[in-house]
Amino acid sequence: DTAVSQTPKYLVTQMGNDKSIKCEQNLGHDTMYWYKQDSKKFLKIMFSYNNKELIINETVPNRFSPKSPDKAHLNLHINSLELGDSAVYFCASSPLAGVGPEDEQYFGPGTRLTVT
Amino acid sequence: AQSVTQLGSHVSVSEGALVLLRCNYSSSVPPYLFWYVQYPNQGLQLLLKYTSAATLVKGINGFEAEFKKSETSFHLTKPSAHMSDAAEYFCAVGLNYKYIFGTGTRLKVLA
Repeated sequence: DTAVSQTPKYLVTQMGNDKSIKCEQNLGHDTMYWYKQDSKKFLKIMFSYNNKELIINETVPNRFSPKSPDKAHLNLHINSLELGDSAVYFCASSPLAGVGPEDEQYFGPGTRLTVT
Repeated sequence: AQSVTQLGSHVSVSEGALVLLRCNYSSSVPPYLFWYVQYPNQGLQLLLKYTSAATLVKGINGFEAEFKKSETSFHLTKPSAHMSDAAEYFCAVGLNYKYIFGTGTRLKVLA
């Protein structure tokens, strides 16, 4: 069983469209994250949810809206897609809310979003 | 403010040679430190993590890292590189619910 799964793996769409990426973890973790990895491999946190509650929102445009229906799922909806949104988006989860020695994060395989 | 610097965006070593990937951090408080590896077209996988219990941390696949507070460093090493080690390596510092990642180092292993 995959610990952190994301769908879809690839997403190609045109500017102005709205799209969603889904993430599910079966690890029983309390905290989930969305990261954006740009073409230079730079990895930056976007959002973090703990038990369905938003705890980090890193100055991400409000076109991006995370939704956590339950603590095992964290979806990312993007409105009015722009060329600069092209990137690989990673979902991750960790057991606890804080970042401590035990708080390793488990990453999904990523979703490669291409906006044309 | 925290930051992480990885010196060398690309490192090439011969198979069997020592691997050394550098990571320096800045943090106003004792940090939590991690090394992750990313194989092509995959997510990140934890290699090792620093706990305050020991300054030399052993991870998976023969990697280890040493925490040096005086140098604010957490360099990753492996005595003998294998072809399968070719990947992107990320150092991260964690505090207050999130990680700050370095810009990554691509390791190339030459036959």
